[in-house]
Amino acid sequence: GQNIDQPTEMTATEGAIVQINCTYQTSGFNGLFWYQQHAGEAPTFLSYNVLDGLEEKGRFSSFLSRSKGYSYLLLKELQMKDSASYLCAVRGGAANDYKLSFGAGTTVTVRA
Amino acid sequence: EADIYQTPRYLVIGTGKKITLECSQTMGHDKMYWYQQDPGMELHLIHYSYGVNSTEKGDLSSESTVSRIRTEHFPLTLESARPSHTSQYLCASSPRTGRGTQYFGPGTRLLVL
Repeated sequence: GQNIDQPTEMTATEGAIVQINCTYQTSGFNGLFWYQQHAGEAPTFLSYNVLDGLEEKGRFSSFLSRSKGYSYLLLKELQMKDSASYLCAVRGGAANDYKLSFGAGTTVTVRA
Repeated sequence: EADIYQTPRYLVIGTGKKITLECSQTMGHDKMYWYQQDPGMELHLIHYSYGVNSTEKGDLSSESTVSRIRTEHFPLTLESARPSHTSQYLCASSPRTGRGTQYFGPGTRLLVL
């Protein structure tokens, strides 16, 4: 089976930086995704990592270490609209397996 | 990004009724998925399809069924709704090639009384 762990909640101040960690144990690895989900809405794609290292996209960056089964999502210059749940998802299994296994999500609350 | 639609967005229905949740996408994606998500909880895959006439059950046992007769359409049916089926149902699709990024529809919130 797949096991994906991330913290339940985090709180940070507007303008600050928050790092959301994700650890995973999966049979096979074909990439790790981060999604943002506002309350009552559908998840939207944020980032993808398949090789070790940092991927930067504007205020958001995502890091992957395959040997450690570890990723983080870094949110910089936090804005109130960043208050949401952030989902870590892993595409495991064989190369032709496109299913994603999702963590329970980390709820980030941005305070003024 | 995929254009993916779900109807109805909200549904309140009595126990024992048959319901079909619709999902359509206009991007020609060959892969489609159904997830169930309770408030504040993780997404659970209940069905998926990698192409026309191909459907598989996901990791979470579900009493629902799906069909994939056309590439763009992936409806989910509950033959007899029960209060335990109350949840949010999310449909997603991903393209034929590439990394497998899934794009989600807006979801259907189902309440079974």
